Amino acid sequence: DIQMTQSPSTLSASVGDRVTITCRASQSISTWLAWFQQKPGKAPSLLIYKASILETGVPSRFSGSGSGTEFTLTISSLQPDDFATYYCQRYNSYSFTFGPGTKVDIK
Amino acid sequence: QITLKESGPTLVKPTQTLTLTCTFSGFSLTTGGVGVGWIRQPPGKGLEWLAVIYWNDDKPYSPSLKNRLTITKDTSKNQVVLTMTNMDPVDTATYYCAHTIAARTFDSWGQGTLVTVSS
Repeated sequence: DIQMTQSPSTLSASVGDRVTITCRASQSISTWLAWFQQKPGKAPSLLIYKASILETGVPSRFSGSGSGTEFTLTISSLQPDDFATYYCQRYNSYSFTFGPGTKVDIK
Repeated sequence: QITLKESGPTLVKPTQTLTLTCTFSGFSLTTGGVGVGWIRQPPGKGLEWLAVIYWNDDKPYSPSLKNRLTITKDTSKNQVVLTMTNMDPVDTATYYCAHTIAARTFDSWGQGTLVTVSS
């Protein structure tokens, strides 16, 4: 089974900061990696799929990169609406594994 | 516009079987590549994928839970049903259903339904 890890688990940042979250897979997953944002009491929302493709309607300050085993989610200038928990997910048609999450809170 | 909504009991007793229904609109489960999945989230914890059912009736399950799960679809009613047997308090969670197509993983989610397992 492929395991997913994320770092850091918590990140304290200020509005306007550039934020980077890292996700690692225990073996190569090519670019089958997605990023989700979840706010308290709400369902997750897809931000990025296939490692770097921005979902329709997602602000361009979000970007994803990486392939193989290491991936990053970058928020170029953190906005008040971005304080949330972020999950990476490895996926193919027959398996979906989420990372443990990274909480981005206010510094 | 794709919408999904979960329904089912809010409270189940240990050892009972949980049955959840996902009712959706805005897409068809007869369209190639389309699937509906279930994901759960215990209070204050992370996301766990449970199962997916595809337009062609393929049904991959989480390896750790596959012995307890059954997923079915009713395309005439636009519904997907998940059953989970032998419920335990550790299964207390918000259960979500979500739409998936081709390479896009879960791109639309229901609001979730909280299921508590307690005697």
